[in-house]
Amino acid sequence: AQTVTQSQPEMSVQEAETVTLSCTYDTSESDYYLFWYKQPPSRQMILVIRQEAYKQQNATENRFSVNFQKAAKSFSLKISDSQLGDAAMYFCAWGGSGNTPLVFGKGTRLSVIA
Amino acid sequence: SAVISQKPSRDICQRGTSLTIQCQVDSQVTMMFWYRQQPGQSLTLIATANQGSEATYESGFVIDKFPISRPNLTFSTLTVSNMSPEDSSIYLCSVARAVNTEAFFGQGTRLTVV
Repeated sequence: AQTVTQSQPEMSVQEAETVTLSCTYDTSESDYYLFWYKQPPSRQMILVIRQEAYKQQNATENRFSVNFQKAAKSFSLKISDSQLGDAAMYFCAWGGSGNTPLVFGKGTRLSVIA
Repeated sequence: SAVISQKPSRDICQRGTSLTIQCQVDSQVTMMFWYRQQPGQSLTLIATANQGSEATYESGFVIDKFPISRPNLTFSTLTVSNMSPEDSSIYLCSVARAVNTEAFFGQGTRLTVV
């Protein structure tokens, strides 16, 4: 079975600074996908970024980027120029090939300090 | 993307009663997933709702407690039966539009059992 571990229950960052959220996973599959989701107080799960395991290049979406280390099974999220609206729970998730449900980590609560 | 309408957004229910949560998707999807998110926790998969067959339940969740219907490819319901305060959680439906793509989520149902 796949597992996703987020070792930082809480993080904080000053506005305009950079923060990195950690995620490690365990899988025996070779074809999979990794995701970071954001859940603000509204409860809506919002996709932040995705990474295909077969791609060596790290995914980037505006201020959000990942550091994907496949051999180490690590998938960290870097948020640059942090904004107050970035404050939320962030969940790392693993998805396998085929139409299977995602496996989520326990989440990291990010606070942004003005 | 997929637009998912989940109802109700919140409810307060008496113990011993049942609540049915509805999930409507703007297009046909093969599989729909139901998650539970207890306060401050991650998402736990309850079951996969299959069209035309019984739902597939995860360990710790049973059909008598969480019956699921999937009458067509755009709609599903989850019922929380014989509720107790321990059932107080956020319940989310989720779909994936295609294989190996990100999951989309409804806005969640915040259930409080008193």
